Amino acid sequence: GAVVSQHPSWVICKSGTSVKIECRSLDFQATTMFWYRQFPKQSLMLMATSNEGSKATYEQGVEKDKFLINHASLTLSTLTVTSAHPEDSSFYICSAGLSSYQETQYFGPGTRLLVL
Amino acid sequence: QKEVEQDPGPLSVPEGAIVSLNCTYSNSAFQYFMWYRQYSRKGPELLMYTYSSGNKEDGRFTAQVDKSSKYISLFIRDSQPSDSATYLCAMSGDNQGGKLIFGQGTELSVKP
Repeated sequence: GAVVSQHPSWVICKSGTSVKIECRSLDFQATTMFWYRQFPKQSLMLMATSNEGSKATYEQGVEKDKFLINHASLTLSTLTVTSAHPEDSSFYICSAGLSSYQETQYFGPGTRLLVL
Repeated sequence: QKEVEQDPGPLSVPEGAIVSLNCTYSNSAFQYFMWYRQYSRKGPELLMYTYSSGNKEDGRFTAQVDKSSKYISLFIRDSQPSDSATYLCAMSGDNQGGKLIFGQGTELSVKP
């Protein structure tokens, strides 16, 4: 149980285009999902907290107009990187908390984004 | 000072060795402690979850939490080459809104 999927697993795009990443909890409902960014050999950096049916809460320094988050249902959250630039190239990971145990998060496999 | 400190390694051990991984933290409000394992280019996988102080054992893995010292440990017995990965400690408290605070991660290599 507690499986989280992400799609796509990797994407290459041209500078200036937008990329959408999906995060799904497959066998449980997640009222809260989290989006992280990870650079090589570094830890996860929390970008935003996504709550179903409400606006996402962004961490300090994360541009909400660049990283659009939508949590449309209890099993799906999306991250859209708008007008992507090479510096947005990174590993993006989502996680979802079980409804009753938010501290225990289950992570997706990650999406590797390369912006040319 | 970071809220959670973890030695990034790398740590290299021979197969069969006992591995000790540690994190220290500064926020006394933390009471939920987790260890995640992350293989290269994959998402983190939850290994151990501990609430408050104490020990928890699961197979070859033992997690220890010492809240008085603000120190947590993960022990791996009879380490295997398949244990080679990055191990991340993470923690949270009731006032964190479900957010996890991660350590930097320790890169472990178990040599056959």
